[in-house]
Amino acid sequence: QVHLQESGPGVVKPSQTLSLTCSVSGTSIDSGGYFWTWVRQHPGTGLEYLGYISGSGKTYYNPSLTGRVSMSADLPQNRFSLNLTSVTAADTAIYYCARGFAEFAVVRHFDYWGLGTHVTVSS
Amino acid sequence: DIQMTQSPSSLSASVGDRVTITCQASEDIGSFLNWYQQKPGKPPKLLISDTSNLELGVSSRFSGSGSGTDFSLTISGLQPEDFATYYCQQYHFIPPLTFGGGTKVEIK
Repeated sequence: QVHLQESGPGVVKPSQTLSLTCSVSGTSIDSGGYFWTWVRQHPGTGLEYLGYISGSGKTYYNPSLTGRVSMSADLPQNRFSLNLTSVTAADTAIYYCARGFAEFAVVRHFDYWGLGTHVTVSS
Repeated sequence: DIQMTQSPSSLSASVGDRVTITCQASEDIGSFLNWYQQKPGKPPKLLISDTSNLELGVSSRFSGSGSGTDFSLTISGLQPEDFATYYCQQYHFIPPLTFGGGTKVEIK
């Protein structure tokens, strides 16, 4: 069974960098056909797709994040990470990692999700 | 970005009711539309992919239809475990993929 689990600080100070890791079990992140993604959900609102990293290191970032985001993968540890710089209160959200079923370099849907981790941006 | 507009944003229904949620895309997305169910404190769960393909293990009381810009999710015979928030998501080949704003289905 595929399992994803987010980890990282629950509070980040404004202007600092938010760093989260997603540990994956039950499958290898360098297996074909899937991208490894991040999705966030602001309190009480909808879902925002942040982007993906593939097992080969290819990345896509949502332009709405205006160059503040980066993702990386640690194949030996079977995990991937999100870095979001210069955070503000608007980045307060639940952050989910999810496996994206991919074709033609596009994520089609998300089939496995972590439980999510709540991150608050506050001094 | 392609905007996804769901309606209604919330609805009240009774067990056994037939419920329909709609999702409108700001441009033609063919059949590239998925539906998720989210319960409080949980991540979204994929129900339907590619407009009408029911995921393994999902009850057949869920069905999806549509194409182009107009899509719908129907729950036939609402059950207590169906009270949740539902999201549509498009994945047109021009990224980024986007989600609808959600429809909260509450008990009447």
